[in-house]
Amino acid sequence: AQSVTQLGSHVSVSEGALVLLRCNYSSSVPPYLFWYVQYPNQGLQLLLKYTSAATLVKGINGFEAEFKKSETSFHLTKPSAHMSDAAEYFCAVSGAGTASKLTFGTGTRLQVTL
Amino acid sequence: GAGVSQSPSNKVTEKGKDVELRCDPISGHTALYWYRQSLGQGLEFLIYFQGNSAPDKSGLPSDRFSAERTGGSVSTLTIQRTQQEDSAVYLCASSSYRDFQETQYFGPGTRLLVL
Repeated sequence: AQSVTQLGSHVSVSEGALVLLRCNYSSSVPPYLFWYVQYPNQGLQLLLKYTSAATLVKGINGFEAEFKKSETSFHLTKPSAHMSDAAEYFCAVSGAGTASKLTFGTGTRLQVTL
Repeated sequence: GAGVSQSPSNKVTEKGKDVELRCDPISGHTALYWYRQSLGQGLEFLIYFQGNSAPDKSGLPSDRFSAERTGGSVSTLTIQRTQQEDSAVYLCASSSYRDFQETQYFGPGTRLLVL
């Protein structure tokens, strides 16, 4: 069985500060890992994905995440927060290879303050 | 269209009524997924289609829930005899089987409220 755990349901940062959203995974097979963002009243938008090609993954809007097998982590970071980054962020895992359902974490709501 | 579309965007119904939710995937995407997002349960997988067949229905919460896909394209999720606990946002996603590094693209969702 696969699962992800997101630490912190709410994170607040100042504009310009580092954003760090935590995700730990559990998987019996090499995982595919994803970060999605959801803006109010919208669907999910893919930020980035890890599929074993490279441990440091760069995504859209200046976000990146590093896959650390030894720590079973896939934390999302952005060097400098912008007001437009305020949203809910979901970490997700699926099995490698063929089409597979996503198992999501509980989400982290990011607040960006002036 | 360019993305996944879902209709209706909002649906209010009375307890006991049936509802149908529609999903139009990205053209050419062979895989289609339904998820449910609710306050109590977060984001949950419901069912997956490959073409018109559904190899994984493990997430459907009860036999009141069913889904079909026709022509390898449009999918309909039907909830019979709706209950208040069915209130949630129902999200559809599609992906291309040609892309080994599969990415699921999500629609905006249908917000269902059962009174």
